[in-house]
Amino acid sequence: DTAVSQTPKYLVTQMGNDKSIKCEQNLGHDTMYWYKQDSKKFLKIMFSYNNKELIINETVPNRFSPKSPDKAHLNLHINSLELGDSAVYFCASSQDAGGGWLEQYFGPGTRLTVT
Amino acid sequence: SQKIEQNSEALNIQEGKTATLTCNYTNYSPAYLQWYRQDPGRGPVFLLLIRENEKEKRKERLKVTFDTTLKQSLFHITASQPADSATYLCALDKGSARQLTFGSGTQLTVLP
Repeated sequence: DTAVSQTPKYLVTQMGNDKSIKCEQNLGHDTMYWYKQDSKKFLKIMFSYNNKELIINETVPNRFSPKSPDKAHLNLHINSLELGDSAVYFCASSQDAGGGWLEQYFGPGTRLTVT
Repeated sequence: SQKIEQNSEALNIQEGKTATLTCNYTNYSPAYLQWYRQDPGRGPVFLLLIRENEKEKRKERLKVTFDTTLKQSLFHITASQPADSATYLCALDKGSARQLTFGSGTQLTVLP
């Protein structure tokens, strides 16, 4: 059974379009994340949600908007796509251990290419 | 500014040898440090977590050390195998902030 799943796996689109990436976890975790991994393989956090509430919002253009309809889902909507948005986007989840955060479980990634 | 450095972007070793990867950090006071493995085209996979009050942690052929004085973690893979070839990432928490910051990774290649 897939623990953290993302759709789509590949996304090719033109500049200016709006797109969404979906993420679901079946681990019962209470915290979910979105990361961006650029061409140099540097993994950088974008957002984190705990129990559907936004707790981390790194310096990300407001064209990126996360939405968490429930604890098991965290979707990423991107408006007005730009060339620089091309990257691999990873969703992850973890369980808050009451003051310590355990390991994160990552999805397979979504490779976004903006042309 | 806060920085995490993983020495050696790429490391090649011979099968059967011990691979040692380094993670150094500055201007952090992490409560714990984690190591992940990432294969091409896949998401990172958690390997080990070590807390600030632990000196060493082991799991099968893996060993992690954590020296908060030197601000350094070493990750060892003993009796390395070609299947261990991957990129290894270290990650630190930001104390009270609920997030991990990842290093840029070391690409390990184990040669048969």
